[in-house]
Amino acid sequence: QKEVEQDPGPLSVPEGAIVSLNCTYSNSAFQYFMWYRQYSRKGPELLMYTYSSGNKEDGRFTAQVDKSSKYISLFIRDSQPSDSATYLCAMSARAGTTGFQKLVFGTGTRLLVSP
Amino acid sequence: ETGVTQSPTHLIKTRGQQVTLRCSSQSGHNTVSWYQQALGQGPQFIFQYYREEENGRGNFPPRFSGLQFPNYSSELNVNALELDDSALYLCASSPSTAYNSPLHFGNGTRLTVT
Repeated sequence: QKEVEQDPGPLSVPEGAIVSLNCTYSNSAFQYFMWYRQYSRKGPELLMYTYSSGNKEDGRFTAQVDKSSKYISLFIRDSQPSDSATYLCAMSARAGTTGFQKLVFGTGTRLLVSP
Repeated sequence: ETGVTQSPTHLIKTRGQQVTLRCSSQSGHNTVSWYQQALGQGPQFIFQYYREEENGRGNFPPRFSGLQFPNYSSELNVNALELDDSALYLCASSPSTAYNSPLHFGNGTRLTVT
């Protein structure tokens, strides 16, 4: 079983729709949760990060963490064709005696927003 | 502010050869990490460098090695290339090694091994 599970999609929605992207995880040591957006032939771009359970909002994006269920979500309001990309969830825990950072990623969900 | 830059953007190598990939970290960032992203998969952690030393490693064999230089730039070296090494190699920099330090990625080097 993978530490982080994410539906690869593709998820197709019309412009203006509310999009819900989700990940589940098995490692209760994960404390830091991130969402990255990756356009074709580009590197991942950090969208949002959060530490605690609850919601965090930034413009059209809302990140939600439920540590009791080991479930995180990213909501996109008023989706635009320019939002079409792959969305990767990532998480990390304190790792190693030297405290290095290791992100564990989901496989990514491909989102297609049609005009 | 200059972001993370990687070179080259694309590379084709033959099985058994060696390859060196390069990364310049974002201004002010002293920590560099390398990730491998196979097609259709999320990035996998290779290792992290801080103060010119490897301070953490993922589940990759010793033929994957790296360097970090005094200006915080970094190299990833892969020896004895295998077909499965074909992937997008991503470099990421961060302002510290803390587990909650945000990682900023470059656009990667696409390596094809034939």
